[in-house]
Amino acid sequence: GAVVSQHPSRVICKSGTSVKIECRSLDFQATTMFWYRQFPKQSLMLMATSNEGSKATYEQGVEKDKFLINHASLTLSTLTVTSAHPEDSSFYICSATGDRKASTDTQYFGPGTRLTVL
Amino acid sequence: AQSVTQLDSHVSVSEGTPVLLRCNYSSSYSPSLFWYVQHPNKGLQLLLKYTSAATLVKGINGFEAEFKKSETSFHLTKPSAHMSDAAEYFCVVTPYGNNRLAFGKGNQVVVIP
Repeated sequence: GAVVSQHPSRVICKSGTSVKIECRSLDFQATTMFWYRQFPKQSLMLMATSNEGSKATYEQGVEKDKFLINHASLTLSTLTVTSAHPEDSSFYICSATGDRKASTDTQYFGPGTRLTVL
Repeated sequence: AQSVTQLDSHVSVSEGTPVLLRCNYSSSYSPSLFWYVQHPNKGLQLLLKYTSAATLVKGINGFEAEFKKSETSFHLTKPSAHMSDAAEYFCVVTPYGNNRLAFGKGNQVVVIP
């Protein structure tokens, strides 16, 4: 139980284009989803927290107009990197917490999306 | 302020010998603590978690961790390393009394045959 998927697993795009990454909770309802960014050989940095049906809360230093987050349903959150540039190349990971007692205090992570901007 | 400290960014162990990964934390609240493992180009997998129940927590793949409040520590151990244990390990804490996580910098574990 408590499986989170991400799509796509890898994406390569040209500079200036936008890329959408999907995060889905497959077997539970995700009341809260989180988006992280991970640079090579570094730890995860929280970008934003999103609750279903409300605006995302961004961490300090994260551009909300650059990284658009939508959490339209209890099983889906999307991260759109707008006008991507090479410095946006990174590993993006989502996580989710659910509404079942067993999972409300634990974040379940997706497998990540490797974004490369040329 | 650093919420989670993991020393020894790289740890080498011989196959069949014990593994010890140290984690110290700081928090004004009663935190939840987790250990996650990440294999190359993969997401994070939960190994174990402490949420104010038993202080010795058993996880998957033979790992366990002990919460010591007096030492503000949550060290991860395994009696006998296996080749498949080679990965990055993150100690993770909820230091703010909510569900926002603070990550340690990680331990890259190499298992020597």
